[in-house]
Amino acid sequence: KAGVTQTPRYLIKTRGQQVTLSCSPISGHRSVSWYQQTPGQGLQFLFEYFSETQRNKGNFPGRFSGRQFSNSRSEMNVSTLELGDSALYLCASANMAGSTEAFFGQGTRLTVV
Amino acid sequence: KQEVTQIPAALSVPEGENLVLNCSFTDSAIYNLQWFRQDPGKGLTSLLLIQSSQREQTSGRLNASLDKSSGRSTLYIAASQPGDSATYLCAVKYGGATNKLIFGTGTLLAVQP
Repeated sequence: KAGVTQTPRYLIKTRGQQVTLSCSPISGHRSVSWYQQTPGQGLQFLFEYFSETQRNKGNFPGRFSGRQFSNSRSEMNVSTLELGDSALYLCASANMAGSTEAFFGQGTRLTVV
Repeated sequence: KQEVTQIPAALSVPEGENLVLNCSFTDSAIYNLQWFRQDPGKGLTSLLLIQSSQREQTSGRLNASLDKSSGRSTLYIAASQPGDSATYLCAVKYGGATNKLIFGTGTLLAVQP
């Protein structure tokens, strides 16, 4: 059974640009969550999608957005990139809400220059 | 505010030692708690999931305990090996209608051969 797949693995972007990251969850999983990991702030929750609906949102500016498709694949978009957006972006997949285990992808390393 | 703290922040032990990592959470009304390991620059690997109704979970050389009333969880690693060197993270879920995780600050473990 394939795990959580995130693409691309690495990205270098310039300040002011926008970027789209992709996450394919484990087959059959309908919940996808996104996290930002930085040395200073640790792992912070961005948002969660379940059956194409955003169910929960973290405390991030509106430049961070996401969506989920009918096949449960999810994308997150960051517009008007800032240097502080440089981070490892992680995606987690889960079968359903409640007592289920979360499985993470390998992440996308975004560097903003 | 729901916060998760891990101590120690870093730990170095000789190979073969048994060790304990600690995780504390401010709000004891958790739904479940999950332990992860993260290798440098990589994603998170799930180690153990403890439901709020459980006291402990075991997998191989790992044992995790949960004491909701005191807001604590411990991860016990028996007979540590150099391959156990990684960052260990605990994450708490509040509520059954979301898969949002609140992460601790992590413990960086180094096992010396």
